Amino acid sequence: DQQVKQNSPSLSVQEGRISILNCDYTNSMFDYFLWYKKYPAEGPTFLISISSIKDKNEDGRFTVFLNKSAKHLSLHIVPSQPGDSAVYFCAASETGTYKYIFGTGTRLKVLA
Amino acid sequence: DTEVTQTPKHLVMGMTNKKSLKCEQHMGHRAMYWYKQKAKKPPELMFVYSYEKLSINESVPSRFSPECPNSSLLNLHLHALQPEDSALYLCASSQEGWGMETQYFGPGTRLLVL
Repeated sequence: DQQVKQNSPSLSVQEGRISILNCDYTNSMFDYFLWYKKYPAEGPTFLISISSIKDKNEDGRFTVFLNKSAKHLSLHIVPSQPGDSAVYFCAASETGTYKYIFGTGTRLKVLA
Repeated sequence: DTEVTQTPKHLVMGMTNKKSLKCEQHMGHRAMYWYKQKAKKPPELMFVYSYEKLSINESVPSRFSPECPNSSLLNLHLHALQPEDSALYLCASSQEGWGMETQYFGPGTRLLVL
């Protein structure tokens, strides 16, 4: 049972435009969500997080939106840059469980 | 400093070998994690240590043996592995592991079992 899903395996965006990556979850007990960027054969790099008491968090070009009623979160990257090309994972955790559940990833390609 | 280091970067071992992976962090984090990641798949949790005690073992085969000698170090001892164990092994750490924390990952060890 995949508790965290990223339904788009890949996404291509022109440089300078907005990239929107989506993530859905099923467990209503998740209360903290994170986005990671990953290059091949490297560890995930933390980008941005959001707790369930917020609906938006912004850090530079990256903004994460959380819609708890829809159990949906999204990552917006504006403007997109070629260096943003990577695989993006969302992850969710539930306080007290020690576990972080990762989505299947979305490969973002930013075209110059 | 949000650095988690892992050694070695690459490891090739035979099915009868014994080897160890090492992970280190100096952020004062008290929770440390081992993940396994296969190509085009998300990281899969293997073990969690909190305050140097094993908190979670995700039904990992006994040929993988974790060890947490102190709050900064995490080892993964490997013995009699199978070719299907070839993967990227990731170490991560977070403040305490209890909740609403960011996990920081190391660069991983790329393991090939022949």
